[in-house]
Amino acid sequence: AQRVTQPEKLLSVFKGAPVELKCNYSYSGSPELFWYVQYSRQRLQLLLRHISRESIKGFTADLNKGETSFHLKKPFAQEEDSAMYYCALSGNTPLVFGKGTRLSVIA
Amino acid sequence: NAGVMQNPRHLVRRRGQEARLRCSPMKGHSHVYWYRQLPEEGLKFMVYLQKENIIDESGMPKERFSAEFPKEGPSILRIQQVVRGDSAAYFCASSPPGQARSYTFGSGTRLTVV
Repeated sequence: AQRVTQPEKLLSVFKGAPVELKCNYSYSGSPELFWYVQYSRQRLQLLLRHISRESIKGFTADLNKGETSFHLKKPFAQEEDSAMYYCALSGNTPLVFGKGTRLSVIA
Repeated sequence: NAGVMQNPRHLVRRRGQEARLRCSPMKGHSHVYWYRQLPEEGLKFMVYLQKENIIDESGMPKERFSAEFPKEGPSILRIQQVVRGDSAAYFCASSPPGQARSYTFGSGTRLTVV
C-alpha cells in the first residue's frame, strides 16, 4: 500500500529561522515524491518534485530511500511561506497525499 | 491557458438535494482526478477518469457518488441525496497524456450541506 505520513499538523517558526517539514512514505517500488503548497484556501500548487532536484522559493527536498523520507527544508523562513504544505507520492496509483502541515512563520 | 477551471466555487445544498460539481481540464489534458479535502484529513483521492472512461474509482463512496468525463464538455462529480458529512472542498486536477504524474489543480468547489 502507498502511504504518506506528515507527523506535524502545525509548525511555527520565527522569521529567519530554518524550516524542516517532515515527510515519510511507504511504497515497495520506486516512488516519485512531490511537495505541494496551498496558500489560504487557494488551489494547490506544485512546489517541487524529487526528480527535478531543483530549489523553488528557497525550498529543497532530498529523497532518502534508506529512511523513506522526503523532508522539505528552507534555511531562512519568510512570512510569505506561511501556508499548508502537502507531501505526495506517485507510485502505481494516482497521487497519494499526506494530511498536510500548516507552516506559520512568525514575524 | 486558463488552467483547470472548477465551478461553482461555492455550493450550498440542503440535505437530500443533489450536488453537481464541474471541472474543465487544462487544454490538451485528457486525464482528470477528483480529490476531497476534509479538515484535518488532507486530500483523499476519489476517482481518476479519462475521456469517456473511469480508470480508477477506488476512492469513491459506493453510494450516492458518481463521476463522468464525457467526450465533450467538463468532468462532472455528482453527489445525490447529500448529507452533512459531504460538506468539504472538492478539488479537481488534470494531467496531459503520457505525463500522468504532472498534475495541475483547480481552485476547488466548497460544498456546504445545510
